Amino acid sequence: GESVGLHLPTLSVQEGDNSIINCAYSNSASDYFIWYKQESGKGPQFIIDIRSNMDKRQGQRVTVLLNKTVKHLSLQIAATQPGDSAVYFCAETGGATNKLIFGTGTLLAVQP
Amino acid sequence: GAGVSQSPSNKVTEKGKDVELRCDPISGHTALYWYRQSLGQGLEFLIYFQGNSAPDKSGLPSDRFSAERTGGSVSTLTIQRTQQEDSAVYLCASSLALYRANEKLFFGSGTQLSVL
Repeated sequence: GESVGLHLPTLSVQEGDNSIINCAYSNSASDYFIWYKQESGKGPQFIIDIRSNMDKRQGQRVTVLLNKTVKHLSLQIAATQPGDSAVYFCAETGGATNKLIFGTGTLLAVQP
Repeated sequence: GAGVSQSPSNKVTEKGKDVELRCDPISGHTALYWYRQSLGQGLEFLIYFQGNSAPDKSGLPSDRFSAERTGGSVSTLTIQRTQQEDSAVYLCASSLALYRANEKLFFGSGTQLSVL
């Protein structure tokens, strides 16, 4: 079936550096993408979303890039902080479905 | 409340028992989802409710799983004759569904189910 996968299961960065978390998706019909952050013991928290008619969207310290040609999504976190340590999930949906398909997640570990 | 509320936060049960998990969505949110998350894994879609429409049950893993949503608000996920493989975190999410139901889902903290 359709799936969303992540290139790196674990990402370790130094505090203050920029982080880039990557995601590949396989459904070319997907037209809406979301990044979620999940801290230990908590539910996923919405970070930022992007529609397929956009290539880039910026939030506070976060930027999502969408490359539809290669079906690739990335989340960039500027000036990574210890509080950014969490598992990050990308999710996709499109067409007639009401489901969000989640990837397996990337663990971001911020080193002081 | 301000967010999605789930209860209980933890549930330990014996194999073969039935369990009920509760979800209170954000007030005014018309769409409600249940997901399951096994340890270290992604989220697995279970079921979706939207207004008065028939629920999308396509993600329920077996007929031991059922869910209902009363009055368009509170939802209950029921697992009958629990098995050890049912052990997971069960997450509920809701959305305002202004454009599409699956946009900007807000999740609760989940119920950790442990089947002994």
